[in-house]
Amino acid sequence: NAGVTQTPKFRILKIGQSMTLQCAQDMNHNYMYWYRQDPGMGLKLIYYSVGAGITDKGEVPNGYNVSRSTTEDFPLRLELAAPSQTSVYFCASSRQGGEKLFFGSGTQLSVL
Amino acid sequence: QKEVEQDPGPLSVPEGAIVSLNCTYSNSAFQYFMWYRQYSRKGPELLMYTYSSGNKEDGRFTAQVDKSSKYISLFIRDSQPSDSATYLCAMSASNTDKLIFGTGTRLQVFP
Repeated sequence: NAGVTQTPKFRILKIGQSMTLQCAQDMNHNYMYWYRQDPGMGLKLIYYSVGAGITDKGEVPNGYNVSRSTTEDFPLRLELAAPSQTSVYFCASSRQGGEKLFFGSGTQLSVL
Repeated sequence: QKEVEQDPGPLSVPEGAIVSLNCTYSNSAFQYFMWYRQYSRKGPELLMYTYSSGNKEDGRFTAQVDKSSKYISLFIRDSQPSDSATYLCAMSASNTDKLIFGTGTRLQVFP
């Protein structure tokens, strides 16, 4: 049982480049989330989805986009990378909104 | 004021000590309370899950919720070096609401 799978694990981008962080879950969870974690700042919610075709902004959505075409996949798109987007990104899923989250192993992104 | 407050630490204790980790919150509607453990360079993993007030015990770990004081705690008995990690509290008002996380407390248990 793979759980939540994130790719890539590490990435270095130049300012202005774009990329997509991939996230897939095999638990048939309705809810999926993208968080970023900066040192000493905890987890900040970027975007979330309550089901296929439905997405909504979290606390820090600027500079990011998401889509949810299937229950399994929830990619996060960075269009014009900026140094402020240097962070560790975690994808998570849950059966319902307030229930326990299952996290992926994270993507460490540096924008230089 | 943040909805959830958590001392970032670091907290450094000797092996075998009893550890107390705490969070305070401001939203009296919170009913679901969780503790996540995060090892370095890994994703958080659920450690304890409680609903409403009271205590829950699982091995060396005890989660305590005091809704009247808006205060939750995680106790670790007989702490081990393998307990060295960051501990994040999280809570929500219902099972359809988003979780609100604390900033995490870094714990180091030395031999």
